[in-house]
Amino acid sequence: DAGVTQSPTHLIKTRGQQVTLRCSPKSGHDTVSWYQQALGQGPQFIFQYYEEEERQRGNFPDRFSGHQFPNYSSELNVNALLLGDSALYLCASSFMGTGELFFGEGSRLTVL
Amino acid sequence: AQRVTQPEKLLSVFKGAPVELKCNYSYSGSPELFWYVQYSRQRLQLLLRHISRESIKGFTADLNKGETSFHLKKPFAQEEDSAMYYCALSGLQGAQKLVFGQGTRLTINP
Repeated sequence: DAGVTQSPTHLIKTRGQQVTLRCSPKSGHDTVSWYQQALGQGPQFIFQYYEEEERQRGNFPDRFSGHQFPNYSSELNVNALLLGDSALYLCASSFMGTGELFFGEGSRLTVL
Repeated sequence: AQRVTQPEKLLSVFKGAPVELKCNYSYSGSPELFWYVQYSRQRLQLLLRHISRESIKGFTADLNKGETSFHLKKPFAQEEDSAMYYCALSGLQGAQKLVFGQGTRLTINP
């Protein structure tokens, strides 16, 4: 079991562009959450997906959107990128939104 | 508002010495508290949660509701304990929506 896998691991974008990050949950998990971790900070909750619907959302603008597919994998989309969106984006999965969260290694986004 | 404060960004102790990583929280209800750890070049992983009341790798943490604290302790530090430690809480929304502290980088000196 590879655990939670994320792609890409690193990417560079310019202001105003759009980015899509991808996540495959741990085998047997059906719930995916996304977190943003700025340099020197703890992870900050963006949103959670379960049964292909956004179930909870943190304090992030609508530029941040997501999707969950029937196979439980998920995408995080960020539109109109700002310099402040530069961060490590973490995906975490669990079973039925309960229990231990398992994290991926993250996708590091740099916005120039 | 939910908030987690870890007052020490860096903590350095000698091998064999006791370790205490501080965590204070702000939450109006009954939170669930967690400690997550990230070892060098590894992903973030759960170390312990207060409801399980387990000791993991020699670490313990007691929830003190009066002081709103959840400090992580280990009586004798080992070099392999060097890592980044994050305290986190979840409220009524469930264990998926975690509020993390800024983290404490623990270094164990030989």
